[in-house]
Amino acid sequence: DQQVKQNSPSLSVQEGRISILNCDYTNSMFDYFLWYKKYPAEGPTFLISISSIKDKNEDGRFTVFLNKSAKHLSLHIVPSQPGDSAVYFCAASASRAGGFKTIFGAGTRLFVKA
Amino acid sequence: EPEVTQTPSHQVTQMGQEVILRCVPISNHLYFYWYRQILGQKVEFLVSFYNNEISEKSEIFDDQFSVERPDGSNFTLKIRSTKLEDSAMYFCASRLSMGATNEKLFFGSGTQLSVL
Repeated sequence: DQQVKQNSPSLSVQEGRISILNCDYTNSMFDYFLWYKKYPAEGPTFLISISSIKDKNEDGRFTVFLNKSAKHLSLHIVPSQPGDSAVYFCAASASRAGGFKTIFGAGTRLFVKA
Repeated sequence: EPEVTQTPSHQVTQMGQEVILRCVPISNHLYFYWYRQILGQKVEFLVSFYNNEISEKSEIFDDQFSVERPDGSNFTLKIRSTKLEDSAMYFCASRLSMGATNEKLFFGSGTQLSVL
């Protein structure tokens, strides 16, 4: 089940620069996309989301872009901070299609170097 | 901020034994989930639960697994006869309701299950 794909297992970025995390999906029924952040020994925590009717959502240093035609979304973090170092999961759901579950990608481990 | 709590944080069991993982979802949430993450792999959906019944389950959630909401606060995952490959971090999650503004899941900090 590879409906949500994060092809980069890790990313290393210098503090103050932009981090770009990418995600692709295959199921065109997905209508809501989310990014979660996970620290070791903790559960995933919600970071930012976007509805399929939008192409951009911004919250402080975090912006999510959605390209529906390419079935691609990305998370931009700018400026990156050492505390952003964590695993980032892309997730998607198809609630309008009656689905109850949220499908997660494999995650990208972000390292922000001071 | 309200949170999802899970107990125990670590559970070690022998292969073939039954385990029960416990969760207390956020009190006014209506949808409950179990996910698991095998070390180094993705977070996998197991089951969703709404209105006192399973609403959706994955192929992982076979007859060895069951969920229950025995009272108004607890949500449990039972594995009847554990296998080595059940070793994983199990996350409970809850959601307020369905709808575009309520899609986000709130996760507990997980139970690390080790089957020996």
